[in-house]
Amino acid sequence: DAGVIQSPRHEVTEMGQEVTLRCKPISGHDYLFWYRQTMMRGLELLIYFNNNVPIDDSGMPEDRFSAKMPNASFSTLKIQPSEPRDSAVYFCASRDSGSGRNNEQFFGPGTRLTVL
Amino acid sequence: AQSVTQLGSHVSVSEGALVLLRCNYSSSVPPYLFWYVQYPNQGLQLLLKYTTGATLVKGINGFEAEFKKSETSFHLTKPSAHMSDAAEYFCAVTPNQAGTALIFGKGTTLSVSS
Repeated sequence: DAGVIQSPRHEVTEMGQEVTLRCKPISGHDYLFWYRQTMMRGLELLIYFNNNVPIDDSGMPEDRFSAKMPNASFSTLKIQPSEPRDSAVYFCASRDSGSGRNNEQFFGPGTRLTVL
Repeated sequence: AQSVTQLGSHVSVSEGALVLLRCNYSSSVPPYLFWYVQYPNQGLQLLLKYTTGATLVKGINGFEAEFKKSETSFHLTKPSAHMSDAAEYFCAVTPNQAGTALIFGKGTTLSVSS
């Protein structure tokens, strides 16, 4: 299995621009998570999906952030408009609730976002 | 509600020395506990996990952790540090229930000197 795939790996954009981060979970996994990692706040859960349905988006910082999961193999996290304080590493993770792995999550390599 | 506290944001050891990274949790229900490792510019990788059963859990790369319910702790240890162990380590908790997310600690950066 290729693992969780994220693209792009690095993104540099200017303030005010729209940014779209992409994630392909491990095939067969029914949960997908988006995290943000910064020096100040550590690793924060933004939102997670179960069977493509958003379950908890209480971690989404504000309306500029939105996430979708149109099908079981693809999810996007969009920031519009972007701001310098959104600069962070964004991780996607997936999990198979039926595998008996007891809530173990598998992480992608992350997208390093820099907003100038 | 669940939470995780990792004591010490930075730990430095010499090569060959004992590694001890501390993690305390709070959980209103029986927890599942995890340690993840993050090498520079990489994603998180599972080191080990506790779910049920034996409270001493062995993971990859010679690491182990012991679940102590009375102390609400899940400290990570390795008898002898190696230079390749230098990384950031995250403790995480989730309730012993389906359909929940991991709650991570702030992380501890481990430095290993020769």
